[in-house]
Amino acid sequence: GENVEQHPSTLSVQEGDSAVIKCTYSDSASNYFPWYKQELGKGPQLIIDIRSNVGEKKDQRIAVTLNKTAKHFSLHITETQPEDSAVYFCAASIGSNFGNEKLTFGTGTRLTIIP
Amino acid sequence: GAGVSQSPRYKVAKRGQDVALRCDPISGHVSLFWYQQALGQGPEFLTYFQNEAQLDKSGLPSDRFFAERPEGSVSTLKIQRTQQEDSAVYLCASSLGAGRGTEAFFGQGTRLTVV
Repeated sequence: GENVEQHPSTLSVQEGDSAVIKCTYSDSASNYFPWYKQELGKGPQLIIDIRSNVGEKKDQRIAVTLNKTAKHFSLHITETQPEDSAVYFCAASIGSNFGNEKLTFGTGTRLTIIP
Repeated sequence: GAGVSQSPRYKVAKRGQDVALRCDPISGHVSLFWYQQALGQGPEFLTYFQNEAQLDKSGLPSDRFFAERPEGSVSTLKIQRTQQEDSAVYLCASSLGAGRGTEAFFGQGTRLTVV
């Protein structure tokens, strides 16, 4: 089955600096790659996603890049703010016409923004 | 409400007790997923429903775990004869599914503690 690895496990950056989190996946059939933000006591919240037919996607301060050949994808957060502090998870799935887009998650990155 | 709702938020069970966890997905969402999240880990897939049909239960850890979605809306995850290793947060997610939308929306989860 699919295996997703995520690095680093913890990351501290100064407010205003950029943060980068990297993930690799094993199954070349995976074609959907979402990123989730999870705050303490809450469920994961989707912040951005990318499909395998696209190399990069941006949404304000957040961007995701995908390298299908190398089977890795990254999350970039620019101009970090204290409210960006949370645990971030990458995930991968094999989308299908039958709708079973079950997600395989990475182990998470605890991001701390230092004011 | 507009989001995925789970109840109870917290459940303490004595070892050997049966528990039932409820999930109310977003109205109109065809796909429903259950995930298990151990402390400090990413969510792990348990089972998937498309409407009332349970199409994938490959992630259920043992035959003590049972899930149903009899009318294609509300779902219940039941754990029989709970054991300490069942302690985790159980997350429910829903999506439009079946080729209409992959984005999965998560509930806040039920934290199960087996003592």
